[in-house]
Amino acid sequence: DAMVIQNPRYQVTQFGKPVTLSCSQTLNHNVMYWYQQKSSQAPKLLFHYYDKDFNNEADTPDNFQSRRPNTSFCFLDIRSPGLGDAAMYLCATSRVPGGYNEQFFGPGTRLTVL
Amino acid sequence: DAKTTQPNSMESNEEEPVHLPCNHSTISGTDYIHWYRQLPSQGPEYVIHGLTSNVNNRMASLAIAEDRKSSTLILHRATLRDAAVYYCILSYGSGNTPLVFGKGTRLSVIA
Repeated sequence: DAMVIQNPRYQVTQFGKPVTLSCSQTLNHNVMYWYQQKSSQAPKLLFHYYDKDFNNEADTPDNFQSRRPNTSFCFLDIRSPGLGDAAMYLCATSRVPGGYNEQFFGPGTRLTVL
Repeated sequence: DAKTTQPNSMESNEEEPVHLPCNHSTISGTDYIHWYRQLPSQGPEYVIHGLTSNVNNRMASLAIAEDRKSSTLILHRATLRDAAVYYCILSYGSGNTPLVFGKGTRLSVIA
C-alpha cells in the first residue's frame, strides 16, 4: 500500500545533541510537510516543501531545519534540541498544494529530550 | 488563515449518529472545509472535505450551511473506533496553502 513512513517511531536524544528524523513516501506526492504536536495540543506546521521549494513558517525556530534530497524523502533536523522540543513530529504529503487536496499523514515520531 | 470554532468535547453512545459542529463565520469564497481526525497515538487522517455542496463518503457526511458560515460532520453510526479528536480546518482553494489545525473536538464514544 502506498503510504507515508516515519522512522524511527520513537527517538530519544540528549539536550543539545543534534537529531534527525526521517520521512519517506511511496505516493509520489509533490508536497511534503512537517508538523510538531506537543502533548494535548493540535499539530503545528513547521515547514513544507513543494517539490524543491522550501517554505518555512514565520514562527518556526531556527533550530529546526529540513532537507528534501529527492521526491521520496524528507528529513527534519533539530540542531540543538531543548527540553521544549519534546513532542510528536508528524510528516504529511499531498499531491499538490491547495485547499482542495487531501493530506496524508505518517504515524509520527515521538521525540524525548533528556 | 480563516478561523474555525469547535466545541472542546462531545460524547456519543455507540451506534448512534453524531453531529460535530464547526463555525467558520469568516470563511472566504475559495476556502475549502476539511475534516480530519486523530485517533490516540496516531497521525491525523483525512475524513472528508467540501466547498459548497454537501458531501458523502464511506466514513462520514459533511453538511455545509447555505451561507457557508458553519458546517457539520455527521458520523451515521458511532463506533468505539470513532473516538478521536476531530479537526475542522479551512484551507484556501489555490496556491501554496497547507492545512493549519485548530484545537478540534474530542469525541468520546460510550459502549
